[in-house]
Amino acid sequence: KQEVTQIPAALSVPEGENLVLNCSFTDSAIYNLQWFRQDPGKGLTSLLLIQSSQREQTSGRLNASLDKSSGRSTLYIAASQPGDSATYLCAVKRASNSGYALNFGKGTSLLVTP
Amino acid sequence: DTAVSQTPKYLVTQMGNDKSIKCEQNLGHDTMYWYKQDSKKFLKIMFSYNNKELIINETVPNRFSPKSPDKAHLNLHINSLELGDSAVYFCASSQVGTSGYNEQFFGPGTRLTVL
Repeated sequence: KQEVTQIPAALSVPEGENLVLNCSFTDSAIYNLQWFRQDPGKGLTSLLLIQSSQREQTSGRLNASLDKSSGRSTLYIAASQPGDSATYLCAVKRASNSGYALNFGKGTSLLVTP
Repeated sequence: DTAVSQTPKYLVTQMGNDKSIKCEQNLGHDTMYWYKQDSKKFLKIMFSYNNKELIINETVPNRFSPKSPDKAHLNLHINSLELGDSAVYFCASSQVGTSGYNEQFFGPGTRLTVL
């Protein structure tokens, strides 16, 4: 069974700081890992997708890394802004014949204060 | 243009009723999903359909019945609603195909409240 853990559960930082969100998973046999953002009362917005053969992906101020063998991923946010405040979810796609679904962590709730 | 859409956005109903949630994707994807987000915000897969065929049916009560009339639609029908069914239900889609397992795109969610 795949378990996904995100640390910390909540984080508050002042604007302008660089920050790192952590994700770990118990079964390293994954196809890919996806980071999402969820605003209160809203749906999920895909931020970055890392295939199992990749080590990192970048989009703007976001950089996600993947170490499959150790079951870890990090999401790095540079120069944080109040608009980055949201819940960040990590999800992995299992390599078993489980129909392509994602296993989610419980998220990190981020607050960036002006 | 909305990629993955769901209706309704909010659904308030009494215990024991039967209700449906509709989902449509205009991305041309071959796989669609229903996820449930509980009161603690934890997202869990319920069903997965690939080319209109059921692939996953996680431990979901049989009161929940998905129906996929075509590859672009995956509806969720719920019979005899219970208080514990209150949650946000998300539809998602992705293209599996031969290029591997690609990005999943999510709809805006349907907030179901059972009174």
